[in-house]
Amino acid sequence: QVQLVQSGAEVKKPGASVKLSCKASGYTFTNYAMHWVRQAPGQRLEWMGWINAGNGKTKYSQKFQGRVTITRDTSASTAYLELSSLRSEDTSVYYCARGERELVYYYMDVWGEGTTVTVSS
Amino acid sequence: DTVMTQSPDSLAVSLGERATFNCKSSQSVLYSSNNKNYLAWYQQKPGQPPKLLIYWASTRESGVPDRFSGGGSGTDFTLTISSLQAEDVAVYYCQQYYTTPTFGQGTKVEIK
Repeated sequence: QVQLVQSGAEVKKPGASVKLSCKASGYTFTNYAMHWVRQAPGQRLEWMGWINAGNGKTKYSQKFQGRVTITRDTSASTAYLELSSLRSEDTSVYYCARGERELVYYYMDVWGEGTTVTVSS
Repeated sequence: DTVMTQSPDSLAVSLGERATFNCKSSQSVLYSSNNKNYLAWYQQKPGQPPKLLIYWASTRESGVPDRFSGGGSGTDFTLTISSLQAEDVAVYYCQQYYTTPTFGQGTKVEIK
C-alpha cells in the first residue's frame, strides 16, 4: 500500500537547523511530487513547499524562502525538508504529503504520520 | 495569499443526523478554462495526519463513504455528512490549490 514514513521527533535549540525525512513506498516515487506542510499546536495547516520527485524542481512558500530547502534522493525514494535558523515559532508537527508531479498547486492524496519538531532553549 | 475561512468553528450533531459546514475563499478558486474548482476537503482525527476526502470541490476520494459530499463553486463551498457516524468525529479542513496552497482554520465536529 502507498505509505509515507517520516523520521522521528526532534528537539532543537533556537538558531539550529533540522533535516526531516519522508520515505515513500508502494508507488513509483519519481512519478509524483512531495509537499511539506506544518501544523503548529492549535493552528491551521501551513504549506511550506514542494518538490517534483522526478526532476527535483522545487517551489517554496514566500514565508519560508531562504530558510527552507527541500531535496530528494530517488535511489532511496525519500524526500527531505531542511529548515534553518529555527525559532520557537517553528515548533510544529511537520507532514510530508504526496502531490501531483507537474503541478505545484494541487491536492495532497497521501500523508505521512508527521514529525514533531520542538524548538526550545 | 488566498485566505480560507470556515464556519462554524465547531459543530455538535446527533448520530444519524446531517452535518453541514462551510468554507469561503477570499478569491475565486474556479479556473474558467477547465471549469474546475480547486478546492479539497480533509478529515483529521486526533493524533492522526489529515486524510483527503474530496477534491475538485465535489469528487470523493476512493474509499471515502458516500455519506460525505462536497458542493459549491467560486468562493463558497460546503461539506455535508448526510448521516453522522461516531467515527466521523474529527476536524475538517478545506484547502484551495488555485494558488499557493492555503487551508481553512478547521471545523470541529462532535457528537451531541
